[in-house]
Amino acid sequence: GAVVSQHPSRVICKSGTSVKIECRSLDFQATTMFWYRQFPKKSLMLMATSNEGSKATYEQGVEKDKFLINHASLTLSTLTVTSAHPEDSSFYICSAREGGKSSYNSPLHFGNGTRLTVT
Amino acid sequence: AQKITQTQPGMFVQEKEAVTLDCTYDTSDQSYGLFWYKQPSSGEMIFLIYQGSYDEQNATEGRYSLNFQKARKSANLVISASQLGDSAMYFCAMREGRSSYKLIFGSGTRLLVRP
Repeated sequence: GAVVSQHPSRVICKSGTSVKIECRSLDFQATTMFWYRQFPKKSLMLMATSNEGSKATYEQGVEKDKFLINHASLTLSTLTVTSAHPEDSSFYICSAREGGKSSYNSPLHFGNGTRLTVT
Repeated sequence: AQKITQTQPGMFVQEKEAVTLDCTYDTSDQSYGLFWYKQPSSGEMIFLIYQGSYDEQNATEGRYSLNFQKARKSANLVISASQLGDSAMYFCAMREGRSSYKLIFGSGTRLLVRP
């Protein structure tokens, strides 16, 4: 089955620093990747849609300059949390759509998530 | 705008019994897809089952079945013969239209299976 690898699984950083989270599709080409944020015991909130080779599309209320997304290849998308603050602490999870699988019943494949703690 | 509602924050079920997790949705689109995902405490999202808006029959995948009532805009997940490993968060999600692949999630239901 399609596997999405997300790294790191946990990260602790200090306020003001930047953190990069990687999302890789291991055995398929991901035309589109999605980044979600999940607060404790809450639902997944879509942050942005990342298409290979183009700028990400951000959801309303998500700061583009704060959460930098790069989708430079068909197997890798990165989310960089810049100038992190304690309120950025959350669970970030990526998902990927397999290229060529244009059927709308194809499920998204999710990474295992990254738990970010900003101190 | 599309919306997914899960009204049960938490549910208990006895092992080996069946349980229904509720999901209602709102959309103005005629073409859409409904998904259920399971999220264990480890955090990964596990795809369970899919129902398309034009599917005439309810979807089934092993012990999972989807009770799709289009007129009522509900897509309830039924888990039969519950197992201890079914204890997790369950999310209902919707993909709207044929041109969008992003999923919008409900607030989730935490299921606890009692031995």
